[in-house]
Amino acid sequence: QQPVQSPQAVILREGEDAVINCSSSKALYSVHWYRQKHGEAPVFLMILLKGGEQKGHDKISASFNEKKQQSSLYLTASQLSYSGTYFCGTEWKGGSYIPTFGRGTSLIVHP
Amino acid sequence: NAGVTQTPKFQVLKTGQSMTLQCAQDMNHNSMYWYRQDPGMGLRLIYYSASEGTTDKGEVPNGYNVSRLNKREFSLRLESAAPSQTSVYFCASSKREGDEQFFGPGTRLTVL
Repeated sequence: QQPVQSPQAVILREGEDAVINCSSSKALYSVHWYRQKHGEAPVFLMILLKGGEQKGHDKISASFNEKKQQSSLYLTASQLSYSGTYFCGTEWKGGSYIPTFGRGTSLIVHP
Repeated sequence: NAGVTQTPKFQVLKTGQSMTLQCAQDMNHNSMYWYRQDPGMGLRLIYYSASEGTTDKGEVPNGYNVSRLNKREFSLRLESAAPSQTSVYFCASSKREGDEQFFGPGTRLTVL
């Protein structure tokens, strides 16, 4: 079952903040975040692991609430280069170690 | 390092034709994946290979077969293409299951 991402789309001006949410109906082991620019391949941003360990990106932060089975990606002081579609991928406890991806959140940053 | 490479970049097939999508990685990764991406659907896993010599079905395996030829190469075969298989196909690899994935540039496939 795909995780649910919200919102589906966000439009910002440079310098504004955004939050993208990802929630699962199943207990999570980890959450992955990727960004995809139009016509390009997805690019890894970060992994959040159970217990709070986080690997990834310096300029973008995220949280993982294991009890609520959800993760949030925080984009602060957004730049034009942040535009793209953001995907979360979730690994379930007791499932395979392959993330199941959400449908994506489109982020557009205007000058 | 080329990373993950895919061939071809574009392909048009007629219904019923067969073809093989090629994927190779030069990062000495153990795990490799095939995804399809359709508008508004995100990335859906077709097949994956956790390590050389193993392959497993993902979420949408029907109509596809895979071969993990060696540690570097993982191919995806469409035996009898259908219009529903029109999509963008991405290959990815990771050091091991659960690690960050590195994606290839994609193959845009149209089935008429």
